[in-house]
Amino acid sequence: EAGVAQSPRYKIIEKRQSVAFWCNPISGHATLYWYQQILGQGPKLLIQFQNNGVVDDSQLPKDRFSAERLKGVDSTLKIQPAKLEDSAVYLCASSLSGSAGELFFGEGSRLTVL
Amino acid sequence: AQTVTQSQPEMSVQEAETVTLSCTYDTSESDYYLFWYKQPPSRQMILVIRQEAYKQQNATENRFSVNFQKAAKSFSLKISDSQLGDAAMYFCAYRSRGGSEKLVFGKGTKLTVNP
Repeated sequence: EAGVAQSPRYKIIEKRQSVAFWCNPISGHATLYWYQQILGQGPKLLIQFQNNGVVDDSQLPKDRFSAERLKGVDSTLKIQPAKLEDSAVYLCASSLSGSAGELFFGEGSRLTVL
Repeated sequence: AQTVTQSQPEMSVQEAETVTLSCTYDTSESDYYLFWYKQPPSRQMILVIRQEAYKQQNATENRFSVNFQKAAKSFSLKISDSQLGDAAMYFCAYRSRGGSEKLVFGKGTKLTVNP
């Protein structure tokens, strides 16, 4: 079974530029999550999708971050314009809806904003 | 809102010894899941062990076991016969049963295994 795929693995941009990250969850997983993990901290949920609908985006900085999950499968997270404090690893995870709780994570996309 | 606290930023253990990582959480819910996730330097988070709150029996997975104290809202991880490959960041996490099902993480404990 293929795992959660993310790209790109690494991205370096200047502040005020834009960047997009892509995630393809495990086939059949209805729930998709984007987490932000700043160095030395635990992951923080940015947005959660159930199929193609948003369940929770309370911690998403909506003035600069956006995310979509077209057709309820893969997802894109965009940052525009980027700030220095956006430097982090962006983790995508997926799970079966209503399951016993396990999330499966991708390898993450490391963003450096200069 | 649920919170998860890991009070040990770093821990170290000698190879083949036992180490316990601490975790406490705050919730008003009675039914939920608790997890320990491992994040090696390559960054992919993997599940170590899961505990369902309604089960009194502590979960075990080979060398990994938990001490779940529901009343105290405590959920510690014990690693027995530590191996070099156990070196990683360990995150304690909480997930509601039902509702949004989002996973809330602690800040993590960095475990070093000394040969």
